[in-house]
Amino acid sequence: AQTVTQSQPEMSVQEAETVTLSCTYDTSESDYYLFWYKQPPSRQMILVIRQEAYKQQNATENRFSVNFQKAAKSFSLKISDSQLGDAAMYFCASGGNYGQNFVFGPGTRLSVLP
Amino acid sequence: KAGVTQTPRYLIKTRGQQVTLSCSPISGHRSVSWYQQTPGQGLQFLFEYFSETQRNKGNFPGRFSGRQFSNSRSEMNVSTLELGDSALYLCASSLVGTDHEQYFGPGTRLTVT
Repeated sequence: AQTVTQSQPEMSVQEAETVTLSCTYDTSESDYYLFWYKQPPSRQMILVIRQEAYKQQNATENRFSVNFQKAAKSFSLKISDSQLGDAAMYFCASGGNYGQNFVFGPGTRLSVLP
Repeated sequence: KAGVTQTPRYLIKTRGQQVTLSCSPISGHRSVSWYQQTPGQGLQFLFEYFSETQRNKGNFPGRFSGRQFSNSRSEMNVSTLELGDSALYLCASSLVGTDHEQYFGPGTRLTVT
């Protein structure tokens, strides 16, 4: 069974600073995908970044980047130049092709301090 | 393009009743997935439908069922409601599946009394 673990229930960062959210996962699949989704307060969940496990290069999206360590089954999210609008619940998730369940981690609540 | 819509947004039901939730995906999206979100269990995958076929199912009892119509709209049904079914039910649509970006709806807040 797939599992996704986020060991930091809450984190805070000063505006304009950098923060890293941790995620580890476990899967027996050889072909899978990893995601970070963001759920702002009272707003809809949106995709932050997606990583294909077969790609060694770390995915980046503007201020968001990941550190994907496949052997260690680690998938951390780095947010650079944090903004007030980054405050949200961040979920790490694992999914794959047909036949694989989609699994979310428990989430990390990020606060951004002005 | 209109986003994912879910109806109703709020629902109060009594134990033992059944409920049907509806989800309209983004136009052109063929995959619809359902999730249950609770403070205790977090986000849990219920099932995914693609082209009217359930192709993936999470670890939920048979009381939870769903279907997808030819226009990709999906419904989720919960029979014999229990107090523990109180949750936010999220629907997400994707062009091809959960291995690609999913677009989430606002959710249906179900309260079972």
